[in-house]
Amino acid sequence: QQQVKQSPQSLIVQKGGISIINCAYENTAFDYFPWYQQFPGKGPALLIAIRPDVSEKKEGRFTISFNKSAKQFSLHIMDSQPGDSATYFCAAVRGLVFGAGTILRVKS
Amino acid sequence: DSGVTQTPKHLITATGQRVTLRCSPRSGDLSVYWYQQSLDQGLQFLIHYYNGEERAKGNILERFSAQQFPDLHSELNLSSLELGDSALYFCASSVEGLAGPYNEQFFGPGTRLTVL
Repeated sequence: QQQVKQSPQSLIVQKGGISIINCAYENTAFDYFPWYQQFPGKGPALLIAIRPDVSEKKEGRFTISFNKSAKQFSLHIMDSQPGDSATYFCAAVRGLVFGAGTILRVKS
Repeated sequence: DSGVTQTPKHLITATGQRVTLRCSPRSGDLSVYWYQQSLDQGLQFLIHYYNGEERAKGNILERFSAQQFPDLHSELNLSSLELGDSALYFCASSVEGLAGPYNEQFFGPGTRLTVL
């Protein structure tokens, strides 16, 4: 069974701090790794995504780091803000498989 | 607003009943995906349709079925409902199918199903 393992389940970060969420996958056929952000009462929305041929992708305060040999990737949120409080899902595509989600709360 | 619409927003029904959830994809999107989100199971892929044809099945129960119509809207039918079917059901759409690389999925607002 294809799996994407995500950690931590929940995370509390002070405003201005760095939020780090990690994911690991098993199937080397995955070829696209998106992160989705979900606010309460809303559907998930694509936040940022990376292909396995690059090791890092940065968009504003959001960075994905990708380690192909370890089959791991992570989301870093720099200068975390209360508005970033949401649930974050990593996913892997060859058939979309989601991680279990991380509930992030940024304390002001 | 993602451009994907889902109806109804909320649905409350009893065990053993049958319900239909409806999804209209973004204009121009040929693919529709259904997901179930529950507290203990996270976001689970159920089924994918592309231009009216079933393309992939995930963790979809035999009591559940779906179809995509010629106008590309989709319906998810849930029958013989059980308490454990209570969840948020999301529909997503994309231009291409899952095989298309880097293919962003746009999610609807979801239907919250409560089975009493």
